[in-house]
Amino acid sequence: AQKVTQAQTEISVVEKEDVTLDCVYETRDTTYYLFWYKQPPSGELVFLIRRNSFDEQNEISGRYSWNFQKSTSSFNFTITASQVVDSAVYFCALIAYGQNFVFGPGTRLSVLP
Amino acid sequence: SQTIHQWPATLVQPVGSPLSLECTVEGTSNPNLYWYRQAAGRGLQLLFYSVGIGQISSEVPQNLSASRPQDRQFILSSKKLLLSDSGFYLCAWSLRQGARVDTQYFGPGTRLLVL
Repeated sequence: AQKVTQAQTEISVVEKEDVTLDCVYETRDTTYYLFWYKQPPSGELVFLIRRNSFDEQNEISGRYSWNFQKSTSSFNFTITASQVVDSAVYFCALIAYGQNFVFGPGTRLSVLP
Repeated sequence: SQTIHQWPATLVQPVGSPLSLECTVEGTSNPNLYWYRQAAGRGLQLLFYSVGIGQISSEVPQNLSASRPQDRQFILSSKKLLLSDSGFYLCAWSLRQGARVDTQYFGPGTRLLVL
């Protein structure tokens, strides 16, 4: 069975602080894909990144960066110099061939001014 | 570019009443379509997915049903709502691929409150 764990239920930081959201996954498949989505207060899930299991290169996009480590089955997400607009619930997700998306429980990030 | 619409945005219904939520996708053909439910403060639960017109797969036994009458239209229905049906319903689409591993893009959602 596949599983995604986001151990941090809620995180609060002050604006301009860096924050890392943890994601640990379990799967027996050798080919799989990992995702991060952002859910702002409006409710719509916004796609942030997709990474396949054969690509362990870290990625940076502006203030966002992702650290994928197969050795620890982790796909962590870091926001640098956080802003109030980053306040949202963030979901990590996993999918393998022939399976459905498995979402983690989400981490609620509050960035305080 | 592709867009996904859901309506209504908010709905308040009495227990026992019927339900119909609609989702349409623009700017793509033959998408895979999905219905998710998110209970208050909880994660996402896949309810149904469809890989083509008239093809519906149910993931969770419940009093809800789904239909896909047109290629880019996905409808979630119930004959009699329960209190436990309250939640946030999200429709999503992805490119048509047999293995369904492509990115899913979500609509704005419908907030349903059953009283």
